Amino acid sequence: DADVTQTPRNRITKTGKRIMLECSQTKGHDRMYWYRQDPGLGLRLIYYSFDVKDINKGEISDGYSVSRQAQAKFSLSLESAIPNQTALYFCATSDWNGELFFGEGSRLTVL
Amino acid sequence: ILNVEQSPQSLHVQEGDSTNFTCSFPSSNFYALHWYRWETAKSPEALFVMTLNGDEKKKGRISATLNTKEGYSYLYIKGSQPEDSATYLCAGNAGNMLTFGGGTRLMVKP
Repeated sequence: DADVTQTPRNRITKTGKRIMLECSQTKGHDRMYWYRQDPGLGLRLIYYSFDVKDINKGEISDGYSVSRQAQAKFSLSLESAIPNQTALYFCATSDWNGELFFGEGSRLTVL
Repeated sequence: ILNVEQSPQSLHVQEGDSTNFTCSFPSSNFYALHWYRWETAKSPEALFVMTLNGDEKKKGRISATLNTKEGYSYLYIKGSQPEDSATYLCAGNAGNMLTFGGGTRLMVKP
């Protein structure tokens, strides 16, 4: 089983719908992250959390929100999805040295 | 947020060729430089995390160097194999956030 698990792996939705992507980890790391990947743009940070009571905006947080329900769980929400949020989303964890461990990715299509 | 750039964007080589690509970043406020390997349909996986100027790390046929004073890192692959085909990402850390470059897509032809 993967150490960092994302659900759903694929989702097609319509403009205006609320979507939640979930991430859980068994690595015991305090730090968790949400990234999105668009072709040619690399990975861009949406939100990150260094512990359960800590939430921080990344480069591109507008239109997104997160919840850190427990050390092992970090969910990403799109309150009202729009087509330019179509992307591949990665959850990741790290320990103190910052090396990232990624989930399998969640491909979201907003029609 | 660091401005991290990678070149080239893509690279085609023949099996057995050695190759290298570049990651550049602002030399001020630097903390760490990461390299990740991302195969199609898989998740990115860490290759190296480097922090010290002059650092050189090696894993099998892949090695990396770091120059923090001039703001660049090189990734070298010796004797490329088809299984090395992947996108190689570098990321710079100037504080709490890693900023990724756009990646170099390597394709190794048998």
